[in-house]
Formats: sequence, C-alpha cells, structure tokens
Amino acid sequence: KQEVTQIPAALSVPEGENLVLNCSFTDSAIYNLQWFRQDPGKGLTSLLLIQSSQREQTSGRLNASLDKSSGRSTLYIAASQPGDSATYLCAVKNNNAGNMLTFGGGTRLMVKP
Amino acid sequence: EAQVTQNPRYLITVTGKKLTVTCSQNMNHEYMSWYRQDPGLGLRQIYYSMNVEATDKGDVPEGYKVSRKEKRNFPLILESPSPNQTSLYFCASSLSKRNTGELFFGEGSRLTVL
Repeated sequence: KQEVTQIPAALSVPEGENLVLNCSFTDSAIYNLQWFRQDPGKGLTSLLLIQSSQREQTSGRLNASLDKSSGRSTLYIAASQPGDSATYLCAVKNNNAGNMLTFGGGTRLMVKP
Repeated sequence: EAQVTQNPRYLITVTGKKLTVTCSQNMNHEYMSWYRQDPGLGLRQIYYSMNVEATDKGDVPEGYKVSRKEKRNFPLILESPSPNQTSLYFCASSLSKRNTGELFFGEGSRLTVL
C-alpha cells in the first residue's frame, strides 16, 4: 500500500529565504504527483502537477521536482514571503490504485516578516 | 468562476439524525470525490465517482452514502451520524474520469456530531 511522508511537519523561516519541502513515497509506480497548498480553515489549492514522465514543473517562485525511482519529490520556494505561510501537501496517484490519491501529512510553513 | 461549492460549511448535529452535505461543480468535470481530514490522519478518501450513476468506495466508506444522478452534483449522505464522523469534509473534482489531472477542492464542511 502506498505511503506518503512529508518532512518536516513544520517549518519556520524568515522572509526572503529560499526553502525546500520534501515528499517521499514508498511505491514508485505512480501516475502523477501533485503539490497542494491549504490555508487554515480552507480547501486545498493545486499548485503543481507532475506527470510520472516529467522531472520538474515550475510556476512563478515554485519549482517541483520528481525522482520517481528514489520515491522523492521536492517543492522549492524561492524568496519566501509571509503570504506563503500555509500547509503544503503532496499527493500521489498510483498506476494500480484505481482513481485514488494518497496524501502526505503536510508541512506547515510559517514565513516570518 | 470555476469552483466546487459545498454546503453547509459548518454543521452541528446529534447522533442518528440523518444529514446531507451537498457538493456542486461548474466545470463539467467527470470525476468527483469526497475526503475527510482529521488531525494526525491526514486526508482520506470516502467515495468517488467517475461519471453519472458510477460511484465507488474509497479508503473509509463506512457510515457514508453518495449518489451521482447529475454530472455537477455529488452529495454525501450520513444516514445515522455518529461522533466518530466529526471531521472536516472536502469535495473535489477533476476533468478526467480517471482523475489524471489537476484536482479542484471545495472550501470544506466542518461537521460536529454530538
């Protein structure tokens, strides 16, 4: 059964720092991987979607990489801002798990002014 | 505006009193699903639907029912709610029936069962 782990569970950084959030998964037979952002009391917003054949995706200050063989993905946030404070979740869709996504527990990020 | 809309956003009810949480999407998406989010357990899928009249169980379907009579709507039904169903519920949708693309989430429905 696929397991998705995100480390660290919480992270606090000063404004302006570049940072990396980690996501690891146990079964490398994935179809795609998504990174989401969740603000307190709100739903999830999709940030980046990486197909299994891709190595990375970029959107503005965000860059997500995927190393399927080692079961890892990273979300790089450049020049962090207080508005980036939120919980970031990764989710994988397996090739052989119907249509379900398996979510990690999330990393709670706080960017201090 | 493209969105997934859930109602109610907040609900307090008592054990055994049937309730329905509605979900509607305006993006003509094929795939819809329900998740619950609990501290320490993360997001877990309850049910999903690939098309009208096609629904299937997720990881934690016990105590829930769903229906998909129209493409845009996917209500979650709790026939006899119990306190262990106190949770934050999310509806989500995706264009492809196999959920191969971006997943769009509603704002969430916080349910408390006393």
